[in-house]
Amino acid sequence: QVQLVQSGAEVKKPGASMRVSCKASGYTFGSYYVHWLRQAPGQGLEWMGIINPSGDNTNYAQKFQGRVTMTRDTSTSTVYMELSSLKSDDTAVYYCARGMVRGVSMTNFDYWGQGTLVTVSS
Amino acid sequence: EIVLTQSPGTLSLSPGERATLSCRAGRNINIFLAWYQQKPGQAPRLLIYDASSRATGIPDRFSGSGSGTDFTLTISRLEVEDFALYFCQQYGSLPTTFGQGTKLWIK
Repeated sequence: QVQLVQSGAEVKKPGASMRVSCKASGYTFGSYYVHWLRQAPGQGLEWMGIINPSGDNTNYAQKFQGRVTMTRDTSTSTVYMELSSLKSDDTAVYYCARGMVRGVSMTNFDYWGQGTLVTVSS
Repeated sequence: EIVLTQSPGTLSLSPGERATLSCRAGRNINIFLAWYQQKPGQAPRLLIYDASSRATGIPDRFSGSGSGTDFTLTISRLEVEDFALYFCQQYGSLPTTFGQGTKLWIK
């Protein structure tokens, strides 16, 4: 079965960087785009960007450009999201999610990771 | 970016009743709208995509309708496990955006 398993919770200080991993299994890793989203406490979902696991090309939301980097390791079917220059309002649950339609970048999300809570606090 | 406005913000109903949730897009998104259910401490779960197609394993008491700018999620007969947060997502235009959600409470 399809699974996306994310790394564990983190606590970071303002100005630091964070990196969350998302290990995929149960499907052909390179066939589906992987997205990153976040949800601040009590808030809605915010799309951060997308990575094509087969080609390594990315597309980031304008809000995060210059601060976010998404990469992948095809040998382990894992995608990574790194966010730098953290601020307190980056405190959120970060999710990876698979785009439902094979080979299509902008689509809905059929499988989600379990979420990773990142707390930014001095 | 396209703004999605969900209404109502909260909805209080009893098991067995019918729930009607609305999502309005700031501009035409054709049928590129999905609905998700989220329970506390869990990741979202896809219910409906392309405005009216049920995702795999979703009970037929969940249905979606609409196109263009106005969309509806209907839960025909509420069960206790349906009381949760619901939100819509548009993927007709980059960047994809989400509504702020409708919280469905047990009366």
